[in-house]
Amino acid sequence: DAGITQSPRYKITETGRQVTLMCHQTWSHSYMFWYRQDLGHGLRLIYYSAAADITDKGEVPDGYVVSRSKTENFPLTLESATRSQTSVYFCASRLAETQYFGPGTRLLVL
Amino acid sequence: GQQLNQSPQSMFIQEGEDVSMNCTSSSIFNTWLWYKQDPGEGPVLLIALYKAGELTSNGRLTAQFGITRKDSFLNISASIPSDVGIYFCAGRSFGNEKLTFGTGTRLTIIP
Repeated sequence: DAGITQSPRYKITETGRQVTLMCHQTWSHSYMFWYRQDLGHGLRLIYYSAAADITDKGEVPDGYVVSRSKTENFPLTLESATRSQTSVYFCASRLAETQYFGPGTRLLVL
Repeated sequence: GQQLNQSPQSMFIQEGEDVSMNCTSSSIFNTWLWYKQDPGEGPVLLIALYKAGELTSNGRLTAQFGITRKDSFLNISASIPSDVGIYFCAGRSFGNEKLTFGTGTRLTIIP
């Protein structure tokens, strides 16, 4: 099906472990984004990418790494997970002014 | 950085009532967007606004781009149960690829 998919949908990990959240879009949109959503903070931008091999920091990039070797994929890696990274993570792609969001990944760091 | 104040944070209304919510920014935006998020899902775009003073409708939803370009309003008329969810405003300034999101308004319909 066309759209944005995220995997896994739910993840439990432990402090210090590396975790990678996957994002895949079928539209070939140039721009892709990673947000985290926490109570009281709304959606905060972690990283974004204008095209393959072009990435840039957002509002809260510390502790995260991204890559974009292919237009359709934009994985987000937590190199050493911390409890403060417990959150819901949304991937999005953009066409013109419209951002299309994936269903989200709920991450719990114990 | 840019900040968006969205109010109210939550609303409890009865079915059939009209709803109003707004966002104000500390800086000027060139684009205002309104999204709705259902439980367990990602936000979905409802309305996009591109010019100061613009008034745009999408069914029972009407949104306005404030004249000062620092605020935007969303109205929902004759609310129905499927309107329940969290509504987010978002703004984008000229030359900026990033959206700034408000903290959301949670709408609950009381039976």
